[in-house]
Amino acid sequence: KNEVEQSPQNLTAQEGEFITINCSYSVGISALHWLQQHPGGGIVSLFMLSSGKKKHGRLIATINIQEKHSSLHITASHPRDSAVYICAVRSNTGNQFYFGTGTSLTVIP
Amino acid sequence: EPEVTQTPSHQVTQMGQEVILRCVPISNHLYFYWYRQILGQKVEFLVSFYNNEISEKSEIFDDQFSVERPDGSNFTLKIRSTKLEDSAMYFCASSQVAGNQPQHFGDGTRLSIL
Repeated sequence: KNEVEQSPQNLTAQEGEFITINCSYSVGISALHWLQQHPGGGIVSLFMLSSGKKKHGRLIATINIQEKHSSLHITASHPRDSAVYICAVRSNTGNQFYFGTGTSLTVIP
Repeated sequence: EPEVTQTPSHQVTQMGQEVILRCVPISNHLYFYWYRQILGQKVEFLVSFYNNEISEKSEIFDDQFSVERPDGSNFTLKIRSTKLEDSAMYFCASSQVAGNQPQHFGDGTRLSIL
């Protein structure tokens, strides 16, 4: 079973486009993380959310706890944004983490 | 900026052997984690560690696995009697306070079991 579902699995965009990646989860959570994984494999934490909205540069993350849904938006996308974006949630019944399968983003110049 | 460091970057081991993967978390962090990612698959949680004991572990983290903080700076993952299916990228992460803090990830150790 997949506690965390992401869509789309793959996304190709032209440079400058506005991008949205979606994440839905089925468990009770205490926090949701958006992570970025580069082709070399390294993982960087972008956001940690428990409610509302956060913004960092061109990246915006939102979460709707009632609907169990989060979105990651990238404004004015750039080829350097090309990476796999992973949604992960921390269960509120312990310190377990569940990961989505990731969204592979390619931004074309 | 402080980093989580993992060594080695790539470990090749014969099936059945024991392997120890090492991590140095950020110095003022108190929560430590191990994850694995089998090639082409999603990241999976293995274990979290706080105050010198395991605070949570997944179904994957069976008796074959153990973690230790031997000296106050290193955080190790030991895999006994390695199997082919243990081949994966293993990531260590740490966070400053409670689990609801952003985690800082190491670059991972690629473990190849032959």
